[in-house]
Amino acid sequence: NAGVTQTPKFQVLKTGQSMTLQCAQDMNHNSMYWYRQDPGMGLRLIYYSASEGTTDKGEVPNGYNVSRLNKREFSLRLESAAPSQTSVYFCASSLVGHSNQPQHFGDGTRLSIL
Amino acid sequence: QKEVEQNSGPLSVPEGAIASLNCTYSDRVSQSFFWYRQYSGKSPELIMSIYSNGDKEDGRFTAQLNKASQYVSLLIRDSQPSDSATYLCAVKRGDGGATNKLIFGTGTLLAAQP
Repeated sequence: NAGVTQTPKFQVLKTGQSMTLQCAQDMNHNSMYWYRQDPGMGLRLIYYSASEGTTDKGEVPNGYNVSRLNKREFSLRLESAAPSQTSVYFCASSLVGHSNQPQHFGDGTRLSIL
Repeated sequence: QKEVEQNSGPLSVPEGAIASLNCTYSDRVSQSFFWYRQYSGKSPELIMSIYSNGDKEDGRFTAQLNKASQYVSLLIRDSQPSDSATYLCAVKRGDGGATNKLIFGTGTLLAAQP
């Protein structure tokens, strides 16, 4: 019973490199989310996908793109990494359509941009 | 004014005492409220949810909600060193129904001293 799985767990990039963070959930949830967490800033929503086939911007979308590959998978792409994108990235999922469902988080990806 | 506000702490409580964590929110039509615990270097873990005014108890944890005052709190009875973590308050806004989007506070660091 894996829940939400994120890969990789750690990554170091050079400025200008690109990479994709992967997220998969096995809870049959319809909504998925990408957050970044920085010291003193809390969790900030980057992008979300309310259902398969839809994606929308969150609070801090600049510099990121997402793909909802299918109901299980939601990836986050950094096209040209910048030092300001050094952060811990969390993927979460939730069951929408039922009242008051919480979000469940993956273990996170710790990303450093040099 | 932040949408969800928490005192960053650290809140230091002696072992065995009651820890009281507070959260205020600005959106008057917010629907659902969640408390997550986050150990250092780990992902947020749901510990309590509350949707109606009043108290909700689960083991050593009690969540309290006062929608008129736009205030939600978490009480931890018989605090243990293992409770030392950052506690995140999350609020589902009134317009979050179709997406379950949450707004997170920056968290309160709790230090339960032996």
